[in-house]
Amino acid sequence: EAQVTQNPRYLITVTGKKLTVTCSQNMNHEYMSWYRQDPGLGLRQIYYSMNVEVTDKGDVPEGYKVSRKEKRNFPLILESPSPNQTSLYFCASRPGGGNTEAFFGQGTRLTVV
Amino acid sequence: AQSVTQLGSHVSVSEGALVLLRCNYSSSVPPYLFWYVQYPNQGLQLLLKYTSAATLVKGINGFEAEFKKSETSFHLTKPSAHMSDAAEYFCAVSPGAGSYQLTFGKGTKLSVIP
Repeated sequence: EAQVTQNPRYLITVTGKKLTVTCSQNMNHEYMSWYRQDPGLGLRQIYYSMNVEVTDKGDVPEGYKVSRKEKRNFPLILESPSPNQTSLYFCASRPGGGNTEAFFGQGTRLTVV
Repeated sequence: AQSVTQLGSHVSVSEGALVLLRCNYSSSVPPYLFWYVQYPNQGLQLLLKYTSAATLVKGINGFEAEFKKSETSFHLTKPSAHMSDAAEYFCAVSPGAGSYQLTFGKGTKLSVIP
């Protein structure tokens, strides 16, 4: 089954403790991205990747890092999480640009206390 | 740069009534437009997309949307709401072939009243 898998689904952590949210897709898509979803703000793009070793900032990249060492994986790293990073995070992949559909993971609900 | 405006963060309709969710876009090039739906505790899934082949687009679950270039709109409709339609709906724009960027609106939460 074609899917984007994120882990964990839920995470509560403390300020400053480094964490990684994993994302993996089995569709051989070149393009992957991370979004955060906050009430009243919709989805905002954090980082995206056009292919292996090619990443770039989205609209809200501060406090986040990503890497793309393999085509299927695109982890999101929070080196020193802060409470304002409490949010619902989604990973997505697309086979190409233009009119191609984006496939989303189930989401990771992160709480930073 | 492209952007999307969804009018109404929350829409309530009675079961069996018409659903109308509004989306206006701005784009410097002819855009590709999408509607996604998010059910509680789930990710987003594609409802339908406009790809310039036809201005009236039919999607899943009885939804459709009409692209109106003169109004820069892509409103989502369904003739008769069902309880299972209660969800959050997002309009998104991709600025033309070759662009990977996908910009989302802020979403409209649809409630269906029995």
